[in-house]
Amino acid sequence: GNSVTQMEGPVTLSEEAFLTINCTYTATGYPSLFWYVQYPGEGLQLLLKATKADDKGSNKGFEATYRKETTSFHLEKGSVQVSDSAVYFCALRDDKIIFGKGTRLHILP
Amino acid sequence: DAGITQSPRYKITETGRQVTLMCHQTWSHSYMFWYRQDLGHGLRLIYYSAAADITDKGEVPDGYVVSRSKTENFPLTLESATRSQTSVYFCASSDSRDNTEAFFGQGTRLTVV
Repeated sequence: GNSVTQMEGPVTLSEEAFLTINCTYTATGYPSLFWYVQYPGEGLQLLLKATKADDKGSNKGFEATYRKETTSFHLEKGSVQVSDSAVYFCALRDDKIIFGKGTRLHILP
Repeated sequence: DAGITQSPRYKITETGRQVTLMCHQTWSHSYMFWYRQDLGHGLRLIYYSAAADITDKGEVPDGYVVSRSKTENFPLTLESATRSQTSVYFCASSDSRDNTEAFFGQGTRLTVV
């Protein structure tokens, strides 16, 4: 079946550092791909999405490109802030939504 | 209020008791989902529903029952709670499949003692 694998955390960075969180997927066909973010004590909220190959999703300085050749959807941000500290989930959508295990990001001031 | 709401937010119950977690959405979304979140496991799908009166098992359905008699409600029942069901439960809804994202509730923290 379809699945999502993302890098294990936690990831600790200093403010203004470059961020990459790796995500790869296994799927039949070309499902839509998503990154969700979860702040402490809250539910998940959509960060960005891409619906077809080579699409780039972007939001709040975060970007991810749907790479069919490498079955990847890596999350990047050029300069992280303390407020970006959260748990990030990569996901794909078929009939249901399948999530990776999440990556906890901690940004030091 | 528009959106998706879960109740209760916190619940403590005893082993062997039946407990129902409620989920209500105001958008008339066709799809609804129940996930549990545990450290080290991420989000695991318990059950989902593509429309009223249609439900399907997810990854970890054992010990749970769902129903969807109305589009806007998707209650999750633990028939006889066990300590292994201590978790944070999230409900979500989505307009359709394919390229649409899901919207999540705030979660219910359930403790089984």
